[in-house]
Amino acid sequence: EAAVTQSPRNKVAVTGGKVTLSCNQTNNHNNMYWYRQDTGHGLRLIHYSYGAGSTEKGDIPDGYKASRPSQENFSLILELATPSQTSVYFCASGDAYYEQYFGPGTRLTVL
Amino acid sequence: LAKTTQPPSMEAYEGQEVNVSCSHTNIATSEYIYWYRQVPHQGPQFIIQGYKDYVVNEVASLFISADRKLSTLSLPWVSLRDAAVYYCIVTSTGNTGKLIFGLGTTLQVQP
Repeated sequence: EAAVTQSPRNKVAVTGGKVTLSCNQTNNHNNMYWYRQDTGHGLRLIHYSYGAGSTEKGDIPDGYKASRPSQENFSLILELATPSQTSVYFCASGDAYYEQYFGPGTRLTVL
Repeated sequence: LAKTTQPPSMEAYEGQEVNVSCSHTNIATSEYIYWYRQVPHQGPQFIIQGYKDYVVNEVASLFISADRKLSTLSLPWVSLRDAAVYYCIVTSTGNTGKLIFGLGTTLQVQP
């Protein structure tokens, strides 16, 4: 089974600060995804990637940037964090259509 | 993308069979049905997928109505570990891996 890890697992940031969430997968999947999960909204797609060097906007990309420097790594960057970005963030990877493997999540609090 | 409707919550006792329904009245011919589940403090996990008729794997079975407007996920002999949020997702292979999660069905299992 695919292994997806995320770091940090918990993060407290200040408003206006820069935050980088990292994701690593070890099963050589081409596709990687970043979601956020908030009470009452389910999971929502922020950015995704089809391979190293590519990033695509998901459904709620505003305020976020993504970087895919290699097959294994996919980062989510909040250049100017805001309290509305307080959430749980999940990274996922996959190759087979729609069978995605999720990481354990990162809980981000922006004060 | 087809919209899905699931009951918000269900309850069961350990050892019972649980059937979680999902309505997708506008499903297109190109769309497949996917089920994921999410236990607290973890990312979603793929359970099963299908297009029509009946699909079974080691975890669950999936029944899809003849008109494909209704699907039912069946979990035999549930245990406390099956307490989770169950998501029904309908999407097209042409959508290249993007999943849209609704609020799902929260299954509570009593001993």
